[in-house]
Amino acid sequence: SAVISQKPSRDICQRGTSLTIQCQVDSQVTMMFWYRQQPGQSLTLIATANQGSEATYESGFVIDKFPISRPNLTFSTLTVSNMSPEDSSIYLCSGGRAGTDTQYFGPGTRLTVL
Amino acid sequence: AQKITQTQPGMFVQEKEAVTLDCTYDTSDPSYGLFWYKQPSSGEMIFLIYQGSYDQQNATEGRYSLNFQKARKSANLVISASQLGDSAMYFCAMRGSGGSNYKLTFGKGTLLTVNP
Repeated sequence: SAVISQKPSRDICQRGTSLTIQCQVDSQVTMMFWYRQQPGQSLTLIATANQGSEATYESGFVIDKFPISRPNLTFSTLTVSNMSPEDSSIYLCSGGRAGTDTQYFGPGTRLTVL
Repeated sequence: AQKITQTQPGMFVQEKEAVTLDCTYDTSDPSYGLFWYKQPSSGEMIFLIYQGSYDQQNATEGRYSLNFQKARKSANLVISASQLGDSAMYFCAMRGSGGSNYKLTFGKGTLLTVNP
């Protein structure tokens, strides 16, 4: 299985600030994804992190609010900008090992915005 | 568009018994994959089992098996010999064409409680 790490594991932030979440995978994957899980809800895809190009965002998510970088195959960051309490969620990154059908998830970042 | 439906918000099972968690799906893709993940209270998403749409055999992984009925568009998870540590949220998910590169669509989840 792929090993995916994220940091921070949790954070408590003030309204109006920004937080950058890092995701590192242990091997080269073709694509990485960022998901949001609001309290008591299922996972919703924010965007696909593309290496060397702009991320592909899902409907309802915009780059100004959730800028994403992927400078190389094994590392990506998600920034939650100008946070409000509605951004309180678990943010998870995922990736798939090339040649397999399985997607693995990082441990998640539990964000609370006050 | 892809859609995953999990109709059981919560399920209870006695320790050592088997339990089935329901999942139905809808897609227009000719090739797709179905996943089950476990999410304990810690929040991490743990991969359990995968079934490809063209796989002839139902997938099994230890105590987990996937009852795949393609004509009925269902992909139920069966957990045999339940353990207290199986208490968690369980999510069914689907990917479309494109192998492991393709994004996942998730159901709303089922909260499983295993009673001693």
